[in-house]
Amino acid sequence: RKEVEQDPGPFNVPEGATVAFNCTYSNSASQSFFWYRQDCRKEPKLLMSVYSSGNEDGRFTAQLNRASQYISLLIRDSKLSDSATYLCVVRREGFQKLVFGTGTRLLVSP
Amino acid sequence: GAGVSQSPSNKVTEKGKDVELRCDPISGHTALYWYRQSLGQGLEFLIYFQGNSAPDKSGLPSDRFSAERTGGSVSTLTIQRTQQEDSAVYLCASSFTGTGNIQYFGAGTRLSVL
Repeated sequence: RKEVEQDPGPFNVPEGATVAFNCTYSNSASQSFFWYRQDCRKEPKLLMSVYSSGNEDGRFTAQLNRASQYISLLIRDSKLSDSATYLCVVRREGFQKLVFGTGTRLLVSP
Repeated sequence: GAGVSQSPSNKVTEKGKDVELRCDPISGHTALYWYRQSLGQGLEFLIYFQGNSAPDKSGLPSDRFSAERTGGSVSTLTIQRTQQEDSAVYLCASSFTGTGNIQYFGAGTRLSVL
């Protein structure tokens, strides 16, 4: 079993739709949580960190449930430019390396 | 530029040859990381450098892989006697310190071993 699991998708949604991605992690020592975005043949870029209380950045909302070891990302009012692969990322306490899920692909169509 | 710089952007090599991949981190970043991304796979940690401390090599898949970081800045990842399964995108990242800081990635080196 992978340490970080994501539904690979693709999620096909029309512009303006709301879409949610989920991610589970298996190591309870995970301490830091992130969503990265990766465009085709490009490097991953940080979308947002995920905090225990949940956090929002414009159209994006991230939630963390430590008890269930579950992370989510909600995108409201999807734009064509949101089409990308969204990577769920965790870091264990005491370790510096990031552990990546394989990503969820989002396709937003006109 | 201000970002993490990697070279070459693409490298095609023959099985059995050695390759060197270069990473120039963001100026002032003390921590440097190497990851690789194989087709359809998530990013896989390879090695981590923090200042003058001994590197964390726990992710290196075999002794054919090695890396060094000279002068606390530029890093070189070397793969000896390349195999076809080494074909992947090799990504370098850097951060201000090793603890709790955001990692910024370079565009990667796409390695193809024929």
